[in-house]
Amino acid sequence: NAGVTQTPKFQVLKTGQSMTLQCAQDMNHNSMYWYRQDPGMGLRLIYYSASEGTTDKGEVPNGYNVSRLNKREFSLRLESAAPSQTSVYFCASSELRIPITNEQFFGPGTRLTVL
Amino acid sequence: EDKVVQSPLSLVVHEGDTVTLNCSYEVTNFRSLLWYKQEKKAPTFLFMLTSSGIEKKSGRLSSILDKKELFSILNITATQTGDSAVYLCAVVGHNQGGKLIFGQGTELSVKP
Repeated sequence: NAGVTQTPKFQVLKTGQSMTLQCAQDMNHNSMYWYRQDPGMGLRLIYYSASEGTTDKGEVPNGYNVSRLNKREFSLRLESAAPSQTSVYFCASSELRIPITNEQFFGPGTRLTVL
Repeated sequence: EDKVVQSPLSLVVHEGDTVTLNCSYEVTNFRSLLWYKQEKKAPTFLFMLTSSGIEKKSGRLSSILDKKELFSILNITATQTGDSAVYLCAVVGHNQGGKLIFGQGTELSVKP
């Protein structure tokens, strides 16, 4: 039981390049999330998927797209990377059907640098 | 607009001290408040609070929620160097797809 996994762990891109960050969870959770974390700004939600087949914008969606490939996988794509997207990216999942918990389980993060 | 504000942003204490971290929030249709600990990697879950006045406790850590005044505190007693981390507070509202709104975090440094 690996929990939430993310690939890659590190990535360096040049401005204008594209890439996809992969996330998978093996906890059979319905909901998945992508966050970015910048110094002094906590975690900010980029996109989320409340259930398979649905995706919604979070607080900072510009410059990103997502795909909920199936219940397990939720990918984040940068079509044309910009230096402002240099950040640490976390994927998370949770099970909203349990009525008394909204604990989110986080992946190990991807450290992305855009030159 | 939903928001979460944590204070202080950073704190330096010595081993054995007791610390109190603060989290105030504004959220539409409040559902729950969560505390996470982050040590240079992914955040790990500490507590979830949904009801006012009920203390959650885990070892030297405890937390309580005040839904009237819209804040929560996280207490750590007899701090140890292993408590050094960023502590994140987050809130979630009903019917918001489980989205967590995070505060900026409090960076705690415990010196020997």
